[in-house]
Amino acid sequence: DTAVSQTPKYLVTQMGNDKSIKCEQNLGHDTMYWYKQDSKKFLKIMFSYNNKELIINETVPNRFSPKSPDKAHLNLHINSLELGDSAVYFCASSHLHGTANEKLFFGSGTQLSVL
Amino acid sequence: ILNVEQSPQSLHVQEGDSTNFTCSFPSSNFYALHWYRWETAKSPEALFVMTLNGDEKKKGRISATLNTKEGYSYLYIKGSQPEDSATYLCAWYGNNRLAFGKGNQVVVIP
Repeated sequence: DTAVSQTPKYLVTQMGNDKSIKCEQNLGHDTMYWYKQDSKKFLKIMFSYNNKELIINETVPNRFSPKSPDKAHLNLHINSLELGDSAVYFCASSHLHGTANEKLFFGSGTQLSVL
Repeated sequence: ILNVEQSPQSLHVQEGDSTNFTCSFPSSNFYALHWYRWETAKSPEALFVMTLNGDEKKKGRISATLNTKEGYSYLYIKGSQPEDSATYLCAWYGNNRLAFGKGNQVVVIP
């Protein structure tokens, strides 16, 4: 049983398209996140949700819209994809938000390639 | 600015040798320092979470130390084995979020 699962694993698409990445966790955690691994290989936080409520919204273009239908799911929708959106996107979850010693549980990543 | 630096970026270690690498982070407003192990084609997995100055954590042959006053943590691998090959990420907790370093990529040569 995968604790944090995200789909698809690979996504190849054309510039200008709209795409979604889905994430689900079966750990009963309250908090979920989206991270982007940038071109310099840093994992940078994009969004966090606590029990369906948006908590962190980093400086991310508004073409990126997260949606959390319930606390076990956090999907990432991207409109009008650009070449620069090509990256690996990681979903993660943790038991609580705002607690420094809460470790993150990561999904396996979605490699997005925009052509 | 959340600056988490890890060095060296990559290292090759002979099987059986011990090795260590460094994570440096802002020493002010310290809350926690995390280490994650990330094997190729897998998800990053938490190794340690450290919160107190002088903390030492151990998991099998891997251990970590923490100096919050000077802003660094060391990760040690004793008697490296091929299965230790991975990228080791450290992350500093501040401003209600984790800021990750680029990682230390370790390749253990049989």
